[in-house]
Amino acid sequence: DAKTTQPTSMDCAEGRAANLPCNHSTISGNEYVYWYRQIHSQGPQCIIHGLKNNETNEMASLIITEDRKSSTLILPHATLRDTAVYYCIVRVAGTGRRALTFGSGTRLQVQP
Amino acid sequence: KAGVTQTPRYLIKTRGQQVTLSCSPISGHRSVSWYQQTPGQGLQFLFEYFSETQRNKGNFPGRFSGRQFSNSRSEMNVSTLELGDSALYLCASSWGGGDTEAFFGQGTRLTVV
Repeated sequence: DAKTTQPTSMDCAEGRAANLPCNHSTISGNEYVYWYRQIHSQGPQCIIHGLKNNETNEMASLIITEDRKSSTLILPHATLRDTAVYYCIVRVAGTGRRALTFGSGTRLQVQP
Repeated sequence: KAGVTQTPRYLIKTRGQQVTLSCSPISGHRSVSWYQQTPGQGLQFLFEYFSETQRNKGNFPGRFSGRQFSNSRSEMNVSTLELGDSALYLCASSWGGGDTEAFFGQGTRLTVV
């Protein structure tokens, strides 16, 4: 699976949009981009994932650049409950490869 | 539907002992993966089971083992515990076909003293 690079930490004001970048310059054509979030001492939760098109759900939006070498997770109106570590993971599609490779992630602190 | 259930939530063991952790996946899910999380190493993949067979294995010593039962429930065992085995052990389940997201349990916090 392709390696990802994320900033170590970010701050965001409550109510503002949080934009979390991820670089995955070695991504290959069949690799998806996944974003997981881990709130303190809980199991990670998948927020959103995509292959090449931008995606939006009730939690977040995922913007993937045209060359797919980077992506941005957008939390449109951050709340204090969004304070967590966010992991960007690139993972090959198909069966047989279930392991998720977690990097260090971005620690997002939402400030009141 | 019920999520991934891990038991126990907390455990304290002594060096040299062994421990067994349990994971019940989401109903219908056939793949169960185990991860270890420590402050120093982060989240690391241990192994994955699918239909009672180990399908992938991470880079951990043989003291770490696991198994999966016919109902997809899984257990992992750590023998001859070391202080460095203190960690949050997380189980994740997925239905196992294609590219699907993994659902994590709350984890078991193991402390080795």
